[in-house]
Amino acid sequence: NAGVTQTPKFRILKIGQSMTLQCAQDMNHNYMYWYRQDPGMGLKLIYYSVGAGITDKGEVPNGYNVSRSTTEDFPLRLELAAPSQTSVYFCASSYGGGNTGELFFGEGSRLTVL
Amino acid sequence: DQQVKQNSPSLSVQEGRISILNCDYTNSMFDYFLWYKKYPAEGPTFLISISSIKDKNEDGRFTVFLNKSAKHLSLHIVPSQPGDSAVYFCAATGAFTGGGNKLTFGTGTQLKVEL
Repeated sequence: NAGVTQTPKFRILKIGQSMTLQCAQDMNHNYMYWYRQDPGMGLKLIYYSVGAGITDKGEVPNGYNVSRSTTEDFPLRLELAAPSQTSVYFCASSYGGGNTGELFFGEGSRLTVL
Repeated sequence: DQQVKQNSPSLSVQEGRISILNCDYTNSMFDYFLWYKKYPAEGPTFLISISSIKDKNEDGRFTVFLNKSAKHLSLHIVPSQPGDSAVYFCAATGAFTGGGNKLTFGTGTQLKVEL
């Protein structure tokens, strides 16, 4: 079982560059999420999606965009990268949106913006 | 505004003893709480959860206690094993978040279980 797959695992960007973090899940989950984790901090929600074609902002959406054209894929786009976006990014998915609690996370993508 | 707080960044426990990890929350509208475990270079994995209608939930060596009046929950690991060494995140959610199972995470506690 692949679960949630994120690519790339590591990336270094220059200020002002753009890139897309890829996320795919093979569990047929309706809900998908992007979190970021800064050193010494908890995970903060960037964007989430409750199904194909539906996305919404989380706690820290500025500087990011998402799309959800299929159930499986939920890419995160960084436009005009800034040093403040240096972080570890985690994609996650869950079957339902109620208090099921269990999110399945990918291994993370470590991004450095210099 | 940190709505979920884990005030101990680290905890060291001897193998076989009890590990107690603590978590406090400020938003009384949270009604579902979870613990996640994270190893280095991996994503968090779900460990155990508890609904606000309960005050205890047990799963093997792991027990979560919820004290709603104090807005406090704790994770007990008995007996602690070296493989339990990881970062533990407390998380909370509730219907008021508008659905989508959106979790608010604490900052994590690094548990080290020593031989």
